[in-house]
Amino acid sequence: AQSVTQLDSQVPVFEEAPVELRCNYSSSVSVYLFWYVQYPNQGLQLLLKYLSGSTLVKGINGFEAEFNKSQTSFHLRKPSVHISDTAEYFCAVSDQPYAGGTSYGKLTFGQGTILTVHP
Amino acid sequence: DAGITQSPRYKITETGRQVTLMCHQTWSHSYMFWYRQDLGHGLRLIYYSAAADITDKGEVPDGYVVSRSKTENFPLTLESATRSQTSVYFCATTDPGLAGRDTQYFGPGTRLTVL
Repeated sequence: AQSVTQLDSQVPVFEEAPVELRCNYSSSVSVYLFWYVQYPNQGLQLLLKYLSGSTLVKGINGFEAEFNKSQTSFHLRKPSVHISDTAEYFCAVSDQPYAGGTSYGKLTFGQGTILTVHP
Repeated sequence: DAGITQSPRYKITETGRQVTLMCHQTWSHSYMFWYRQDLGHGLRLIYYSAAADITDKGEVPDGYVVSRSKTENFPLTLESATRSQTSVYFCATTDPGLAGRDTQYFGPGTRLTVL
């Protein structure tokens, strides 16, 4: 079975400061990794994803994440945050196809991290 | 192009009543999912469907029923609502055969309160 742990439930930062949201996962097979963002009273939208290739993935709104297979981590970073980045961020995993798992196409989410950017 | 819609957006019901939440997509994606979002738990998968007439349980299926007679619709029914089913429900779709596969697209959510 897969599991995802987001290490911080809330992260407060000041505008223009850097931020890192931490995500660790556990799986017995190779996985795809995702970060989704949820703005207040909205659904989730994809921020970025890692499927294969370069371990540094760039997403929308200046966010990036690095896949570290040895540490089973997929931390999200932004060098300079804006007030509009205030939202809840979710890390998620799914099995890769043909990896031998049972969760291809299904996402397992972490508990979420609320990022609050202060002026 | 509406994409994915959910109705109603807000619902208040009483314990023991049957409630159906609707999800409709205009993309013809093969996979559809129902999640519930609760504080401290993130999103948990209730049921999913890989195609019309094919459904399977997720992590928290008890108390819920789904059907999928048409590709575009995936209703979720609470047969006898309980207070523990108070939550925000999200529908999502994906199509592994398309470019951008493995990205799930989410509806706006339905906020359900069971009194």
